[in-house]
Amino acid sequence: DAKTTQPTSMDCAEGRAANLPCNHSTISGNEYVYWYRQIHSQGPQYIIHGLKNNETNEMASLIITEDRKSSTLILPHATLRDTAVYYCIVRVDTGNQFYFGTGTSLTVIP
Amino acid sequence: NAGVMQNPRHLVRRRGQEARLRCSPMKGHSHVYWYRQLPEEGLKFMVYLQKENIIDESGMPKERFSAEFPKEGPSILRIQQVVRGDSAAYFCASSLQGRNTEAFFGQGTRLTVV
Repeated sequence: DAKTTQPTSMDCAEGRAANLPCNHSTISGNEYVYWYRQIHSQGPQYIIHGLKNNETNEMASLIITEDRKSSTLILPHATLRDTAVYYCIVRVDTGNQFYFGTGTSLTVIP
Repeated sequence: NAGVMQNPRHLVRRRGQEARLRCSPMKGHSHVYWYRQLPEEGLKFMVYLQKENIIDESGMPKERFSAEFPKEGPSILRIQQVVRGDSAAYFCASSLQGRNTEAFFGQGTRLTVV
């Protein structure tokens, strides 16, 4: 049970910001939101994670709504190499597993 | 600091043979996760281990599959009597302890059963 809902696919123009939404309406108070991506069939790559505050690193920004029921991953200037499947994950409260859903297939268009 | 190392990268086994997949976590990481990805499908959680302990094996098939993470050495995912349906990419990840810690993945082992 992935606990998250994401659009199946999205397109983004190269150089533009890519905004990937995720719904996690049943998230518990101390569960974190993680984002990973998988390029081709490579191992998943960690992007960013957060609890309730917005987060930013060299790869992306994570915006979490105040009620924590949804979040948005922002890639500020998408490049062709950002074409990948992006997974939004709510880490379960016990056991620390990462459950992957179906993700969003992002295609960056030249 | 080397990342998560998995070997072999590619493994071919005949039906009925055993497959052993190895995962060396990042230095200092005591938590290991195994995932399976069938062709054109998403990643499915299999098992979560700490050193010498299986914490959660809810995603492991009931038969033929086992995993260990000994005090010394890599984590091993073992598949006995492989069948064609076991053909998949198997990914390992490692992390520090705690809910506020990210996990880092290896590049996977591609198992092909012929």
